[in-house]
Amino acid sequence: GQQVMQIPQYQHVQEGEDFTTYCNSSTTLSNIQWYKQRPGGHPVFLIQLVKSGEVKKQKRLTFQFGEAKKNSSLHITATQTTDVGTYFCAGRGSGGYQKVTFGTGTKLQVIP
Amino acid sequence: GAVVSQHPSWVICKSGTSVKIECRSLDFQATTMFWYRQFPKQSLMLMATSNEGSKATYEQGVEKDKFLINHASLTLSTLTVTSAHPEDSSFYICSARDSWTGSSYEQYFGPGTRLTVT
Repeated sequence: GQQVMQIPQYQHVQEGEDFTTYCNSSTTLSNIQWYKQRPGGHPVFLIQLVKSGEVKKQKRLTFQFGEAKKNSSLHITATQTTDVGTYFCAGRGSGGYQKVTFGTGTKLQVIP
Repeated sequence: GAVVSQHPSWVICKSGTSVKIECRSLDFQATTMFWYRQFPKQSLMLMATSNEGSKATYEQGVEKDKFLINHASLTLSTLTVTSAHPEDSSFYICSARDSWTGSSYEQYFGPGTRLTVT
């Protein structure tokens, strides 16, 4: 079945440093979504990518969908303490109605 | 704006009983709502997509007779865990998509419901 892996599992950065999390699917995806979940909080939808090679920016966050639509990345420039949380990707397989699979998540800790 | 509530926030029930969880969009209409499970320190698992006025679409491996979903209005979806067992203990989260934002994919999440089956 479809598997979605995220790396790294954990990341500690100094405030101001950049951060990147990678999402890799075992199968081609029709779309991919990114979420952020603060400790003790509920997930917050960040963005959805649909097109091959798509790049979208939200302030300091840059999201990319690979050309083969099997991987994606989230890059945060100049991290702030408010960026702390776990970032999840979620991809739906392509071809007919396919299952949505969430990645394992990357827990980001920002050291002030 | 875009607030989603869930009720109850936590519930303890005995094995064999059924539990209903409500998900409400408080300040917007949602033709589509989603139900998720989240195990401790683990990722989310999408269970089903709830469509107002029609049957829910369940993800592969989710028993539709076990997890009954009703989306009777544009602001309310319910998830009923029937004949609950300890393995159903989990954190259930719903999300809702605003009907009026056209092609927006954005979802707004509820605070979740902690279910413990004894």
